[in-house]
Amino acid sequence: GAVVSQHPSWVICKSGTSVKIECRSLDFQATTMFWYRQFPKQSLMLMATSNEGSKATYEQGVEKDKFLINHASLTLSTLTVTSAHPEDSSFYICSARDSPYEQYFGPGTRLTVT
Amino acid sequence: TQLLEQSPQFLSIQEGENLTVYCNSSSVFSSLQWYRQEPGEGPVLLVTVVTGGEVKKLKRLTFQFGDARKDSSLHITAAQPGDTGLYLCAGENSSASKIIFGSGTRLSIRP
Repeated sequence: GAVVSQHPSWVICKSGTSVKIECRSLDFQATTMFWYRQFPKQSLMLMATSNEGSKATYEQGVEKDKFLINHASLTLSTLTVTSAHPEDSSFYICSARDSPYEQYFGPGTRLTVT
Repeated sequence: TQLLEQSPQFLSIQEGENLTVYCNSSSVFSSLQWYRQEPGEGPVLLVTVVTGGEVKKLKRLTFQFGDARKDSSLHITAAQPGDTGLYLCAGENSSASKIIFGSGTRLSIRP
């Protein structure tokens, strides 16, 4: 089956610093990747849709200048949390699509901002 | 804004019992998926339903897509402790090209 990886799996950073999270589709090409965040005991909330070679489409309420998304190739998308604050601490999950109806999820990245 | 409401939010039952989880919306979806998520991991796809009225079976799990493609259900027969987890439905509107997740159902099966 299709495999999506994320790196790092967990990261701790200090308030005010920036953190980059990578999402890779390992055995397929993904024209579209999605970024979600999930708070404890809650469902996944879509942050943005990332299409290769074009600007990401952000969901309402998600600050595009704070959550920078780059989808430079068909197998890699990155999410950079700029000037992170403790309220940005969350579980960030990416997914990649290889067919019209199915998407495959990465294992997630737990971000803790101190 | 499309919303997917799942019910119940929490369910704790004894091993061997049956259960049904519901996923409802006022919006029509071109497809609907069910996922199961373990703590600290990404969701794992269980099934995708596309056609209104479609029923799919995966061992003890039965998935149904409503005729109007606005709702879905997941039925588990003879639940086992290994079924414990967070179950998420997710719907896609083809014109929007994005997948929206339901509120989630946390299932606990007691041995």
